[in-house]
Amino acid sequence: GAVVSQHPSWVICKSGTSVKIECRSLDFQATTMFWYRQFPKQSLMLMATSNEGSKATYEQGVEKDKFLINHASLTLSTLTVTSAHPEDSSFYICSARPRTNSNQPQHFGDGTRLSIL
Amino acid sequence: TQLLEQSPQFLSIQEGENLTVYCNSSSVFSSLQWYRQEPGEGPVLLVTVVTGGEVKKLKRLTFQFGDARKDSSLHITAAQTGDTGLYLCAGDRNQGGKLIFGQGTELSVKP
Repeated sequence: GAVVSQHPSWVICKSGTSVKIECRSLDFQATTMFWYRQFPKQSLMLMATSNEGSKATYEQGVEKDKFLINHASLTLSTLTVTSAHPEDSSFYICSARPRTNSNQPQHFGDGTRLSIL
Repeated sequence: TQLLEQSPQFLSIQEGENLTVYCNSSSVFSSLQWYRQEPGEGPVLLVTVVTGGEVKKLKRLTFQFGDARKDSSLHITAAQTGDTGLYLCAGDRNQGGKLIFGQGTELSVKP
């Protein structure tokens, strides 16, 4: 089945550090990937849609200069949390939709737990 | 405004009981997915429903899509402790693949 790999799975860093999270589709190509944020026991909140070869589309209220997204290839999207602060601590999840069949559902990564001290 | 209302948000039951989770909207969806998520992991797809009135079964889980494709339900028969987790419904409105998620249902099944 389709697999989405997310790395790292857990990161702890000091306030002010920039953190990069990778999302890879391992056995399929994806022109579109999605980045979500999730707080404990809550649902997923869509942050942005990552489009291969073009700029990401951000949801209302999400700072694009804070959460930099790069989708440089059909199998990799990265989310960089710039100058992270404790309030950025959360569970970040990516998903990808196969390029060849847009009727297929999204496949989710296992998430990245980000803790800012 | 929540586009996809999921209820209940918390549910604690004894093993062997039945339960139903609902997702309702005033919008029509081209498809609706149900996911289960465990702590520290990503959501895992349980089922996709596409046709109005469709019913799908996955062992003790029964999923139904409303005739008008605006609502869906998940029914679990004889719940087991292994069913514990966060259940999420998500609707697709043909907006470039974007999914609209419900608030989630935190299910706890006690032995």
